[in-house]
Amino acid sequence: GDSVTQMEGPVTLSEEAFLTINCTYTATGYPSLFWYVQYPGEGLQLLLKATKADDKGSNKGFEATYRKETTSFHLEKGSVQVSDSAVYFCALTFFSGGYNKLIFGAGTRLAVHP
Amino acid sequence: GAVVSQHPSWVICKSGTSVKIECRSLDFQATTMFWYRQFPKQSLMLMATSNEGSKATYEQGVEKDKFLINHASLTLSTLTVTSAHPEDSSFYICSARTSGTIWETQYFGPGTRLLVL
Repeated sequence: GDSVTQMEGPVTLSEEAFLTINCTYTATGYPSLFWYVQYPGEGLQLLLKATKADDKGSNKGFEATYRKETTSFHLEKGSVQVSDSAVYFCALTFFSGGYNKLIFGAGTRLAVHP
Repeated sequence: GAVVSQHPSWVICKSGTSVKIECRSLDFQATTMFWYRQFPKQSLMLMATSNEGSKATYEQGVEKDKFLINHASLTLSTLTVTSAHPEDSSFYICSARTSGTIWETQYFGPGTRLLVL
């Protein structure tokens, strides 16, 4: 079945460092790909998405490119801030039973220090 | 953006009791709501999908008699964990989406942590 694998955390960085969180997927069809972020005490929020191959999703300085050839959707940011500390989830959608459902990776915790 | 709330945020109960968790869409009408379960350091696992006014659709391996879902209105869905046991202790998260295209974004609640003693 469809699945998402992302790098284990925690990832600990200093402020202004470059961030990469790896995400690869397995899917039988052509899913849309998402990154969600969960700040402490809050619900998951959509960070960015890409709906087809070679699309680049971007938001708040974060970027991820839908790579069909490597089945990847790695999250990157050029210069992280302390406020980026959160748990990041990679996800894909699959259509089943009349609904667009989400499959999540295990999440990667990011801690950014001043 | 759209806001989804959950109540309670924390619940501790004795084994054998039932616990009800509410999920509300505060500023939009949610035709579809999803319930997820998250174990520590693991991903969110979809438990069931519910549409307002109809029976929920459960994912394989989820006991529908154990996890009762009621989507009584366009802004409220409830999950009742019946006769809870320690293995039901987990983080339960709901999400909601409006009607429209199949690519609609899901809006997530902050989650409810359940501890069964």
